[in-house]
Amino acid sequence: EDQVTQSPEALRLQEGESSSLNCSYTVSGLRGLFWYRQDPGKGPEFLFTLYSAGEEKEKERLKATLTKKESFLHITAPKPEDSATYLCAVQARLGNEKLTFGTGTRLTIIP
Amino acid sequence: DAGITQSPRHKVTETGTPVTLRCHQTENHRYMYWYRQDPGHGLRLIHYSYGVKDTDKGEVSDGYSVSRSKTEDFLLTLESATSSQTSVYFCAISDPRQRDHYGYTFGSGTRLTVV
Repeated sequence: EDQVTQSPEALRLQEGESSSLNCSYTVSGLRGLFWYRQDPGKGPEFLFTLYSAGEEKEKERLKATLTKKESFLHITAPKPEDSATYLCAVQARLGNEKLTFGTGTRLTIIP
Repeated sequence: DAGITQSPRHKVTETGTPVTLRCHQTENHRYMYWYRQDPGHGLRLIHYSYGVKDTDKGEVSDGYSVSRSKTEDFLLTLESATSSQTSVYFCAISDPRQRDHYGYTFGSGTRLTVV
């Protein structure tokens, strides 16, 4: 059974204080690992897809990296508008397009 | 929400009544999904569809049924609502050819309360 564990559950940072969110996974052959951002009362918004160990992708202050067992979402010099819940999900190679999600990290950036 | 609409946005219903939630897309994507989101559990897959009249169960399908008679519409029915089905329901769509750019696109959700 595919599993995704995210840590920490919640993280409070001062504006400008960089940090990383962790996503550990077990999957029977990884097709892709996805990062989403979710604001209160809204649906998840796609950020990145990573496919193989060593791959990195960046978008503004966010950078996602992937190893064979985990992924990190690095947040550099965050701003209050980066406050959200960040979700990680995996797709198995034989999973018929289904995603398995972690429970998320709730990030709060304090001005 | 990039061509995906859920209705209703909010609903309160009584235990034992049937409820149908609708997901409508204008992207012509092949795959459609219904997830529920609950504190401490994250998003869990209820049912999904890989084409018109082609559906399959997810990890939490008991008490739910789905139908897809047209590419653009995917309906989720709670046959006899229970309090444990109080949740936020999200529909999502995907096209494997676009996974790199858009991943899965989610709707805005339906908040369902069963009293």
